[in-house]
This record gives sequence, C-alpha cells and structure tokens, in this order.
Amino acid sequence: ELKVEQNPLFLSMQEGKNYTIYCNYSTTSDRLYWYRQDPGKSLESLFVLLSNGAVKQEGRLMASLDTKARLSTLHITAAVHDLSATYFCAVDLLWGQFYFGTGTSLTVIP
Amino acid sequence: NAGVTQTPKFQVLKTGQSMTLQCAQDMNHEYMSWYRQDPGMGLRLIHYSVGAGITDQGEVPNGYNVSRSTTEDFPLRLLSAAPSQTSVYFCASRKAGQDYGYTFGSGTRLTVV
Repeated sequence: ELKVEQNPLFLSMQEGKNYTIYCNYSTTSDRLYWYRQDPGKSLESLFVLLSNGAVKQEGRLMASLDTKARLSTLHITAAVHDLSATYFCAVDLLWGQFYFGTGTSLTVIP
Repeated sequence: NAGVTQTPKFQVLKTGQSMTLQCAQDMNHEYMSWYRQDPGMGLRLIHYSVGAGITDQGEVPNGYNVSRSTTEDFPLRLLSAAPSQTSVYFCASRKAGQDYGYTFGSGTRLTVV
C-alpha cells in the first residue's frame, strides 16, 4: 500500500522565519508535485519535480526531490502572511494516478 | 477554455439516496480522476480514467461508480449515499504524457444526512 506522509500536519510560524515541510513516500517514483490550497478553494499547482535532485524555486518557496530517499521538501524562506494555506505533495504513479499526502496547514503569524 | 467544471457546487442528500456528480473538461485531456477530501486525510483517489471507455479503481472506490463514455465527461455516481460519504469531492484532468500535473475543478461539497 502506497503511503505519502507529510510533516508537520500543522505549522504556525512567525513572519520572517524559515521552515521546511517534509514529504515522504513509500514507493518508487521520480515525479512529485506540490500544490497549494486556500480555505474553501481548489488546488493550485506550485511545483513539478521530475527527477532526482530536482530543485524548483518560486518567490519564498523552494522545493526539492531526493528519489533515493523518497523524500521531497518544501522550504519556506522569510515567511509572509500571504503564504498561509494548506500545502500538499502528490506522488505520480503510472497511468495518471496521483497519490496525495495528508497536507500541511500553514499559518503565518504577523 | 472553461477548464474543469464540476456541478453541483453544494448538495445535501438523505441516507440511501443516489446522485451523480458531474465533471466536464474542455482541454482534451485523456486522464481524469475523482478525489475526496476529508479533514486530516488529504485527498484520496476514488476512481480514475486514462481515456474514453477505460476506468479503474483508486484507494477508496467502495460506494462509487464511474463511467467515461466521452473524453470530456467523467461523472461520479453515488449508489446509495451514506453519512461516511460526506466530503468535498474534486475532479481533475491531465494531458497524457505531459509534466504539468492535474488541473482541478472547484469541488462539490456533499453532505449526507
């Protein structure tokens, strides 16, 4: 059974601080995606990681993928309130199957 | 392009009733999937399809049926609604062979009483 685990589940951080969200998965895959979800809204694609060692950055967010360790990280630099949301990782298996992590609910406090 | 369109946005059902959640996409995407989202459990895959006429089960298929008679439409049927099916349902689509991941609909919030 495939498991995709994120931690922490809940994260409260002060503006200006740095933090990392972790996504561990239990099967072989070299394709991993990060999504953002605002309360009551749908999911918005953030990053697409397609190979071992892939690193993508957008603003204050940086995502990386280590396929050997089956680990992806989402690093937040100098957090701002606008980053408050729930973040999901998703593992891409064969034939279009995406399996999502449990999500990390991020609250950035002024 | 409208993207992925889900209807209805909200629905209340009584236990035992049946209904169909509609999903349509106008992007000529081959892959389509249905997810349910419950607090603390992320999104769980219910059923998915890789093209017209081809569907398969995901993680939590019990109590749900799907069909894919056209590329555009992928309806999700609840056969006999149960309170455990209270959830937010998302439909998503994706072009086969491309790297961009899934595009999601706006969701259907279903309550079974």
